Amino acid sequence: QKEVEQNSGPLSVPEGAIASLNCTYSDRGSQSFFWYRQYSGKSPELIMFIYSNGDKEDGRFTAQLNKASQYVSLLIRDSQPSDSATYLCAVRGSGNTPLVFGKGTRLSVIA
Amino acid sequence: GAVVSQHPSWVICKSGTSVKIECRSLDFQATTMFWYRQFPKQSLMLMATSNEGSKATYEQGVEKDKFLINHASLTLSTLTVTSAHPEDSSFYICSARDRVWINQPQHFGDGTRLSIL
Repeated sequence: QKEVEQNSGPLSVPEGAIASLNCTYSDRGSQSFFWYRQYSGKSPELIMFIYSNGDKEDGRFTAQLNKASQYVSLLIRDSQPSDSATYLCAVRGSGNTPLVFGKGTRLSVIA
Repeated sequence: GAVVSQHPSWVICKSGTSVKIECRSLDFQATTMFWYRQFPKQSLMLMATSNEGSKATYEQGVEKDKFLINHASLTLSTLTVTSAHPEDSSFYICSARDRVWINQPQHFGDGTRLSIL
């Protein structure tokens, strides 16, 4: 069974610090990796996606992928209170298969 | 960007009522749409994969006769919760991916909060 594991948190960081969110996955054949943010009572919104090993940066966000270790992470620089949310890691295999979601990590940025 | 519209946002109804939720891809075509359910403080649970022009694929434990899915066109999928009961109260979210760029992310609708009295 394909699994995506995340630390449920809460992860608390002070405003302005770097928040580091981690995710591991069991299916070595996974091809695509996504990070979604979900505010309480809202649906998930896409933050970043990454397909290749290495880093991908978009503004304050950096996604990191290591397929050999089956590990993907999200770094949030200069964290803001508005970043406080649950962050969902999602993984997809090949073809038109649905995303497999982790249970999410709750991030709290303290002003 | 890709937009997924879900309607209605909120439904409150009596036990035994059937409720239909619509999911539309507004600026792209989606051969496949996905239906999720989320209970408070829990993760997203995939209920079924909706395929345009064919039967939906349901996840284990999801009753296909209870949750009817119709994917009549490349831009519309509907989920009908039949004879809803209080235990069906949940947050239902649809998701779609562009049929051309299948490696692209899934985009989510805003969700439907269903409350059965």
